[in-house]
Amino acid sequence: EPEVTQTPSHQVTQMGQEVILRCVPISNHLYFYWYRQILGQKVEFLVSFYNNEISEKSEIFDDQFSVERPDGSNFTLKIRSTKLEDSAMYFCASIGSGNREQYFGPGTRLTVT
Amino acid sequence: DAKTTQPNSMESNEEEPVHLPCNHSTISGTDYIHWYRQLPSQGPEYVIHGLTSNVNNRMASLAIAEDRKSSTLILHRATLRDAAVYYCILSESNYQLIWGAGTKLIIKP
Repeated sequence: EPEVTQTPSHQVTQMGQEVILRCVPISNHLYFYWYRQILGQKVEFLVSFYNNEISEKSEIFDDQFSVERPDGSNFTLKIRSTKLEDSAMYFCASIGSGNREQYFGPGTRLTVT
Repeated sequence: DAKTTQPNSMESNEEEPVHLPCNHSTISGTDYIHWYRQLPSQGPEYVIHGLTSNVNNRMASLAIAEDRKSSTLILHRATLRDAAVYYCILSESNYQLIWGAGTKLIIKP
């Protein structure tokens, strides 16, 4: 069964550093998402991406965040200058055309020290 | 904010049916009702979704009230592997999911 993959599984970075979280959505999917989950809290929507542009973004997704689909297979989330409060699990998800089922990756645990 | 209300936790015995309730009194005509679950230390997993009619799939059944202001996720025969947090989510045509706190389902052997 096809699956969404994410790398790395765990990223440790120092405050102020840039990080790029990578996702490979399911190959024929068209809609892509990033969510985050701070430890012990609920899942929060960050951004949706369709047709090579952002469809919607939440208040969390400020100017420090950006997304890109650089090569038709990868979908990346960049945080330009990480803060301690960016420490969380980051999940990528994708949806195929004509479907409503979001397939989630296993997540990347980001730890900012 | 999440537009659904779920109990914080529920317990059930293994191999018995489980009924997880969800209230969504402010649902609009275009909102779909989605259920996802999150097993410990894993990413969320799709369970089922519906609009007006009851739905069945290999994982579960979804019973939707006639006025659509509530729904129930039914696991027909719970196993220990079904222990997870179950989220009831309303989603419009943009597919965006706004998550609540969910129901933590505890399965007793």
